[in-house]
Amino acid sequence: SQTIHQWPATLVQPVGSPLSLECTVEGTSNPNLYWYRQAAGRGLQLLFYSVGIGQISSEVPQNLSASRPQDRQFILSSKKLLLSDSGFYLCAFDRPVITDTQYFGPGTRLTVL
Amino acid sequence: AQSVTQLDSHVSVSEGTPVLLRCNYSSSYSPSLFWYVQHPNKGLQLLLKYTSAATLVKGINGFEAEFKKSETSFHLTKPSAHMSDAAEYFCVVRGGSYIPTFGRGTSLIVHP
Repeated sequence: SQTIHQWPATLVQPVGSPLSLECTVEGTSNPNLYWYRQAAGRGLQLLFYSVGIGQISSEVPQNLSASRPQDRQFILSSKKLLLSDSGFYLCAFDRPVITDTQYFGPGTRLTVL
Repeated sequence: AQSVTQLDSHVSVSEGTPVLLRCNYSSSYSPSLFWYVQHPNKGLQLLLKYTSAATLVKGINGFEAEFKKSETSFHLTKPSAHMSDAAEYFCVVRGGSYIPTFGRGTSLIVHP
């Protein structure tokens, strides 16, 4: 069966520090991968999506970046965190051609102080 | 183009009473429609999905949704609310666009 993992589950970082969040998918190959952010009390904002290794599309300008070094690994990074980067980060995947259903990871709660 | 509107940001019900969460959509294609549930500090869990096989879709935990093309609606219902249903619910449309579009969410509050 397919599973999606995210780590860490929670993270508290000072302003200006770097960030690396990781997402991995098991049980499938060639997934589409997505990063979303939820600010407190708000809906989902799509940050990045990827249709293959090294292929990243950015939906909003920001100080975050994403990379896909392996087929089932998706990384969200920042060189210098801002207070406004605080939020709940969700990774998701779907399987092109097979299904249009997205499946979500458990999320990472990021607090920037 | 596609869009989705969740008509209520908050819905409050008493335990044991019916639940209705409203969703309207627009799409240039014949879309797939989804409802997801999110409990606090958790990921989104798929409740149900419509893909044109049947207009009444049954999901997990006793939820169901009815696709009404003439009204461009996909409302989520449950006959009897349980305390554990308290959560955020998201309606999602995915048509010709590669990327799904999420509603802003409806917070379901269940009173004992």
